[in-house]
Amino acid sequence: AAGVIQSPRHLIKEKRETATLKCYPIPRHDTVYWYQQGPGQDPQFLISFYEKMQSDKGSIPDRFSAQQFSDYHSELNMSSLELGDSALYFCASSLSRSEAFFGQGTRLTVV
Amino acid sequence: EDQVTQSPEALRLQEGESSSLNCSYTVSGLRGLFWYRQDPGKGPEFLFTLYSAGEEKEKERLKATLTKKESFLHITAPKPEDSATYLCAVQARAGGTSYGKLTFGQGTILTVHP
Repeated sequence: AAGVIQSPRHLIKEKRETATLKCYPIPRHDTVYWYQQGPGQDPQFLISFYEKMQSDKGSIPDRFSAQQFSDYHSELNMSSLELGDSALYFCASSLSRSEAFFGQGTRLTVV
Repeated sequence: EDQVTQSPEALRLQEGESSSLNCSYTVSGLRGLFWYRQDPGKGPEFLFTLYSAGEEKEKERLKATLTKKESFLHITAPKPEDSATYLCAVQARAGGTSYGKLTFGQGTILTVHP
C-alpha cells in the first residue's frame, strides 16, 4: 500500500540558510500534518492542511511557512535556520481527519 | 489546552512478561485516541484508534482500551521485537480550537529482554 513519502530523508544546512521539506501524502487523503520531533521528545504539531487550506496552526515559528499544492503535496519552508531547528520533521496524512499515517521523516541538521 | 500524560516513561520486561502502559488525557471533547509505535529514527506507526469509552481494539499481542479519562495498552507475552517507544495521542472534536491535530504524550520506551 502507498505510504506517505517525504524528501529529502536527510538534510544538512548551515545557520541562517533556508530549507524546504517535501511531503507526498497517501493518495486520496485530504489532510496533511507537519510535526517536529526533537531528540527524546514527543512530536510537536506545527501546522495542518485540509483540502489544501490551512486548518490548524501549532507552535510553528514565524520563520517557517507551509503550503499544500493542487496535487496535494505539501512543502515546509524554513528560513534563517537556527541550531535549535535540528530535529526530525514528520509529515502525516489522513482521510477526513481520521487516523494519521506518518512518513519516515526528514532529519534536519543545522550546523 | 489538550494534555496527554503517559506512564511509565520507561518499562523493561522479560520476554513473556505481560504488562500495561497508561495514557491519561484531558481534551475539550474527545474525537479519537490513537496509539502509535515508534522505532528510533523512524516515523510513528499507527496501531489503534479508539473513539468511545468502553471500546477495545486488539492486534496480535497488543490490546488497547479506553475510559473517559485514560487508555491502556496491554501487552501480552511480549517479544524482543515489541521493543519500541509507544506514543498515545488525542484528537479533539470539531468546533474546538484544536480540531484535527494530534496532541501526543511523551511516550513509553518499552524494552523487552530475551
